[in-house]
Amino acid sequence: GENVEQHPSTLSVQEGDSAVIKCTYSDSASNYFPWYKQELGKRPQLIIDIRSNVGEKKDQRIAVTLNKTAKHFSLHITETQPEDSAVYFCAASNNAGNMLTFGGGTRLMVKP
Amino acid sequence: DSGVTQTPKHLITATGQRVTLRCSPRSGDLSVYWYQQSLDQGLQFLIQYYNGEERAKGNILERFSAQQFPDLHSELNLSSLELGDSALYFCASSLSWGTYEQYFGPGTRLTVT
Repeated sequence: GENVEQHPSTLSVQEGDSAVIKCTYSDSASNYFPWYKQELGKRPQLIIDIRSNVGEKKDQRIAVTLNKTAKHFSLHITETQPEDSAVYFCAASNNAGNMLTFGGGTRLMVKP
Repeated sequence: DSGVTQTPKHLITATGQRVTLRCSPRSGDLSVYWYQQSLDQGLQFLIQYYNGEERAKGNILERFSAQQFPDLHSELNLSSLELGDSALYFCASSLSWGTYEQYFGPGTRLTVT
């Protein structure tokens, strides 16, 4: 089955700096890669996703890149703000299963 | 608000008991997924239903079962509960099966004492 590794597990940045979270996946059939933001005690919230026919996608301060050859994808947050502080999860799925396999999560702390 | 609803929000029960968690998907969504989130296991897929039929199974224990009803709401039944079953249980829904966006409900926090 699919295995998703996520790094780092914790990330502390100063407000205004950029943050990068990286994930690798094992199943070459995976073709959909969403990112979720989860605040303490709340639901995972879909913030951006990318499909395997696209190399990069951007939405305001967040962007995701995908390297299918290397089987890794990354989340980039620019101009971080304290409200970006949360746990971020990457995930992967494919057409056959559609279930999401999640990475272990990254706790992002943005210091004012 | 994702449009996915879950009840109850919190559930406290004793070992050996049985509970039922309920999920209503977003309007128009046909697929429902159940995930378990615990501190040591992270977010794990349990089971998926599409338009009333079981579509995929993950690491779901035999003590757990689920179903999706004709009105598309879903229930997750957990029986012979153990302390290790304490976790957040999330339901998510998507338009169909395949690579569609999944939107999560607020979750049910289960505490087994």
